[in-house]
Amino acid sequence: IAGITQAPTSQILAAGRRMTLRCTQDMRHNAMYWYRQDLGLGLRLIHYSNTAGTTGKGEVPDGYSVSRANTDDFPLTLASAVPSQTSVYFCASSEGTGVETEAFFGQGTRLTVV
Amino acid sequence: GQNIDQPTEMTATEGAIVQINCTYQTSGFNGLFWYQQHAGEAPTFLSYNVLDGLEEKGRFSSFLSRSKGYSYLLLKELQMKDSASYLCAPMDSNYQLIWGAGTKLIIKP
Repeated sequence: IAGITQAPTSQILAAGRRMTLRCTQDMRHNAMYWYRQDLGLGLRLIHYSNTAGTTGKGEVPDGYSVSRANTDDFPLTLASAVPSQTSVYFCASSEGTGVETEAFFGQGTRLTVV
Repeated sequence: GQNIDQPTEMTATEGAIVQINCTYQTSGFNGLFWYQQHAGEAPTFLSYNVLDGLEEKGRFSSFLSRSKGYSYLLLKELQMKDSASYLCAPMDSNYQLIWGAGTKLIIKP
């Protein structure tokens, strides 16, 4: 089934540990995004990539890094997790970055940092 | 700064009509999206408006007034499965979506 897949679906992580959230899409979309969603707040953009080989910082990039070695994969790494990074993380992709480009979302990763 | 304002929660009755309002202030504007998000699930696309006026898609319609920085989502013939959060997301001049916190819609029988 075509779409966007995230792994793991949930994780409990000790503070200070390194963690990579995986995201893979098979729609050949150029643009990919990582968001976090916290209760009472809108989705906040962490990092994005408009095309393979390029990345950019979103609204809340501190403590996170990404890479885009190919079109399909867009992993998000927490170098040293802190409790404030407890959140639900959504990966999304879109065909392009212009107007009327619908974003497709993965099922989310629920991360708890303790 | 950029700001999105929509009600936190609304309640409506099965079979009725509900209107969810959204006001926004963004740096530039390249259209506005509405997404639906069921609890514990990913957001899914509902509608997109870039010109003023009403866009109808089955039971759902979305309206935009660019001069007023205002949009609404109209849901008709409400069904229990419409219980979800509805996210308003204008696109700014950098083609980035700016997300509201969402309106939780509760449908009662």
